[in-house]
Amino acid sequence: GAVVSQHPSWVICKSGTSVKIECRSLDFQATTMFWYRQFPKQSLMLMATSNEGSKATYEQGVEKDKFLINHASLTLSTLTVTSAHPEDSSFYICSARDDGTGAYEQYFGPGTRLTVT
Amino acid sequence: QKEVEQNSGPLSVPEGAIASLNCTYSDRGSQSFFWYRQYSGKSPELIMSIYSNGDKEDGRFTAQLNKASQYVSLLIRDSQPSDSATYLCAVTLSGSARQLTFGSGTQLTVLP
Repeated sequence: GAVVSQHPSWVICKSGTSVKIECRSLDFQATTMFWYRQFPKQSLMLMATSNEGSKATYEQGVEKDKFLINHASLTLSTLTVTSAHPEDSSFYICSARDDGTGAYEQYFGPGTRLTVT
Repeated sequence: QKEVEQNSGPLSVPEGAIASLNCTYSDRGSQSFFWYRQYSGKSPELIMSIYSNGDKEDGRFTAQLNKASQYVSLLIRDSQPSDSATYLCAVTLSGSARQLTFGSGTQLTVLP
């Protein structure tokens, strides 16, 4: 089946530093990947849509200069949280859409738990 | 009106019973429908997809789609405690470039 990996699975960083999260589709190519954030007991919140070879599309209210997204290949997208603050602590989840089947099913990575101290 | 609506629950069923999860959507032009399962502290996992009216069965899971009523449901037969999770309905809205719109999820508890 379609597998999406994320690295790291958890990270603790100090306020003001930057953190990069990688999302990889392991057995399919993904022109489009998505980045979500989820706070405890809340719904998934779409942050941005990552398109291979072009700029990401950010949802309203998400700061593009703070959450840098790069989708340099058909299997890798990265999210960099710049100048992290404690309020950025959350569960970040990527997903990748399998365009190869025509069904456009979207598969999620295992998530990255970010804690900013 | 939310674009994708689910009863938040919690929904409790006894072990071995049928759990019925419901979802309605507002966009009549929606084409693709998905059910995801999310365990606490984990990321969502795709369990069913359905694209045409009727039923689609996969093991203990049956997805039902009624586009005229703008309604999609998920039935879980012979529910097990391991099925206890939040179930997310997701719909590809028309004009959204196949981006998924999620409901807020229904929390299911299967009581042993």
